[in-house]
Amino acid sequence: GDSVTQMEGPVTLSEEAFLTINCTYTATGYPSLFWYVQYPGEGLQLLLKATKADDKGSNKGFEATYRKETTSFHLEKGSVQVSDSAVYFCALSINTGRRALTFGSGTRLQVQP
Amino acid sequence: KAGVTQTPRYLIKTRGQQVTLSCSPISGHRSVSWYQQTPGQGLQFLFEYFSETQRNKGNFPGRFSGRQFSNSRSEMNVSTLELGDSALYLCASRSLAGERTDTQYFGPGTRLTVL
Repeated sequence: GDSVTQMEGPVTLSEEAFLTINCTYTATGYPSLFWYVQYPGEGLQLLLKATKADDKGSNKGFEATYRKETTSFHLEKGSVQVSDSAVYFCALSINTGRRALTFGSGTRLQVQP
Repeated sequence: KAGVTQTPRYLIKTRGQQVTLSCSPISGHRSVSWYQQTPGQGLQFLFEYFSETQRNKGNFPGRFSGRQFSNSRSEMNVSTLELGDSALYLCASRSLAGERTDTQYFGPGTRLTVL
């Protein structure tokens, strides 16, 4: 079945450091790929997405590129802020009429001032 | 445009009881999906509804059920609650038309505690 694997957390960085959160996937079809972010006590917010190979999603300084050859969708940000502290989820959905999201386990990011 | 809303935000129930959670999708979104989030199992898909019909179902027992109304609002019901049903229940909606049919937008969740 479809699956998403994320790097274990927590990831602890100092403010203005470079961030990478690794995500790889296994899918039987052609998935759309997503990053969602969850702040404490809240639901999930869509951060960015990519729908086909070599697409780059970007939002709020975060970027991720859909790499079909390595089945990866790593999240990057050049300079993190304390306000980026949250849990980040990588997810996929298969491009059929049914759009259930398959999530990774989540990676907690802690940014220290 | 208002986001996905869920009520109530918090619930405390005891084992054996049943519970109903409500979700109102983004205006114009006709699909509603439900997910369960627990520390042990992570985020798991429960079911999706559109046009008042269940279209897809995850691997959960029959105690978990849902429905959708003609205005696209949805409810999920859990009967005979177990301790393991304690979780954050998230509702997500998506459009069935245009370029963003693959994108789900989540509500704040309902935190269910079973004692």
